[in-house]
Amino acid sequence: SQQGEEDPQALSIQEGENATMNCSYKTSINNLQWYRQNSGRGLVHLILIRSNEREKHSGRLRVTLDTSKKSSSLLITASRAADTASYFCATERGGSQGNLIFGKGTKLSVKP
Amino acid sequence: KAGVTQTPRYLIKTRGQQVTLSCSPISGHRSVSWYQQTPGQGLQFLFEYFSETQRNKGNFPGRFSGRQFSNSRSEMNVSTLELGDSALYLCASSLAGGVQETEAFFGQGTRLTVV
Repeated sequence: SQQGEEDPQALSIQEGENATMNCSYKTSINNLQWYRQNSGRGLVHLILIRSNEREKHSGRLRVTLDTSKKSSSLLITASRAADTASYFCATERGGSQGNLIFGKGTKLSVKP
Repeated sequence: KAGVTQTPRYLIKTRGQQVTLSCSPISGHRSVSWYQQTPGQGLQFLFEYFSETQRNKGNFPGRFSGRQFSNSRSEMNVSTLELGDSALYLCASSLAGGVQETEAFFGQGTRLTVV
C-alpha cells in the first residue's frame, strides 16, 4: 500500500510561478524525502527532511513537514521549464533506508 | 564518481520467458534496492540486498528473485513472465547499514516489455 499520497496528481503552471505539492503519509517516520523523475527515467533525490525538522531549504526548493498532520509540502519557487517532471515523496518502511514507500506522485508541467 | 548503472536499458520478452536485470551500485555502497514502476501501481518496492543478504522483501510473488554479489553488484530475475510484469524496473543504491540517514541514488532503469 502507498504510504505517501501526493496532491495534486497533476499541476500545470507558467514559468516563473511557484509550484506547491503536498504529501500525506500514514505511519510515524524518521524522515521524509522528495524525489524528481523526468519522463520514464530514474529518480533524482531532491531533499531529505528529518522528523524533528519543520522546514528545510535547498536552492529554489522549500520543504515543510508537519508530523502532527502527517503531511509535507514541496515548494518550487520561480519555476522553469526544466522543472517539468514528476515529483514523489518517500518514507522509509520500518526505518529501513533501503526500503522506501513512494506516493503516486505529482506530475508538474511548467510552460515557457 | 560513476552513478548507478542498470543494464540493459530496454528489453522485450515473450510471456513465459525469464529475464535477468543487472545493477551496478555506486562504489562503496553496500545496499541495493529494486523497485517496479507501473502506471497503475506506481513505484513498488521489490527487495533490498545488503552485504549479499536479502534484508527486506516487498509483496511480490516468488517469480521475482534477486541476489547480490561480493562486489555489491545485484541482479534481479523474473521467471515465467506475465504481461503484467511490463514495467520500468529501477535499482537504487545507498550507503545504508548505519544510523546516518542517507539518500538513495537511482539508476536510469530497465524498461521491460512483455508481449
